[in-house]
Amino acid sequence: QKEVEQNSGPLSVPEGAIASLNCTYSDRGSQSFFWYRQYSGKSPELIMFIYSNGDKEDGRFTAQLNKASQYVSLLIRDSQPSDSATYLCAVITAGSSNTGKLIFGQGTTLQVKP
Amino acid sequence: NAGVMQNPRHLVRRRGQEARLRCSPMKGHSHVYWYRQLPEEGLKFMVYLQKENIIDESGMPKERFSAEFPKEGPSILRIQQVVRGDSAAYFCASSLQRLAGKFQETQYFGPGTRLLVL
Repeated sequence: QKEVEQNSGPLSVPEGAIASLNCTYSDRGSQSFFWYRQYSGKSPELIMFIYSNGDKEDGRFTAQLNKASQYVSLLIRDSQPSDSATYLCAVITAGSSNTGKLIFGQGTTLQVKP
Repeated sequence: NAGVMQNPRHLVRRRGQEARLRCSPMKGHSHVYWYRQLPEEGLKFMVYLQKENIIDESGMPKERFSAEFPKEGPSILRIQQVVRGDSAAYFCASSLQRLAGKFQETQYFGPGTRLLVL
């Protein structure tokens, strides 16, 4: 079982729709969760971090964390073609908490169709 | 406020040569992480350093790879005797502090060095 799992996609949504990206993790003691966006040929760009159960909103982005289900998601409202990218879920697990190294999922490719 | 800087952005080496990748963390950041992204694969942790100390190198290949973060100057990832399988994007990230569950631990990534081994 991979430590952090994402559906690789592609996830295709029409412009203006809500895109829902999901991530599960195996280490129940994980504390810190991050979403990064990566355009093709570019570096990961931080979108959000979340530590507590529930929702965290920032503009068009909402991160949701459910530690009991070991599940973290990212919702993108009013999706734009410029949101088309690969979205990376990253976790600092209990095993990596001393160093803070990020464990990444494979990433989900999002395509927003005009 | 400059972000994480990496150079060179692109590096071409022939098999057997050495590659040196440099990373300057964000101003005020003292924690540096190196990650590697192989073609069509996810990002994998390589090494975590603080000034003059390697804290965690559990992701580094046992041979040919080394890293340092001297008291003065950038962090260096060195690959000796490169092979074609080393072709990848190498990203450096930095963070302010190691505080679990706090925003200070958030890592910000540099633009990466894309290494191509011929």
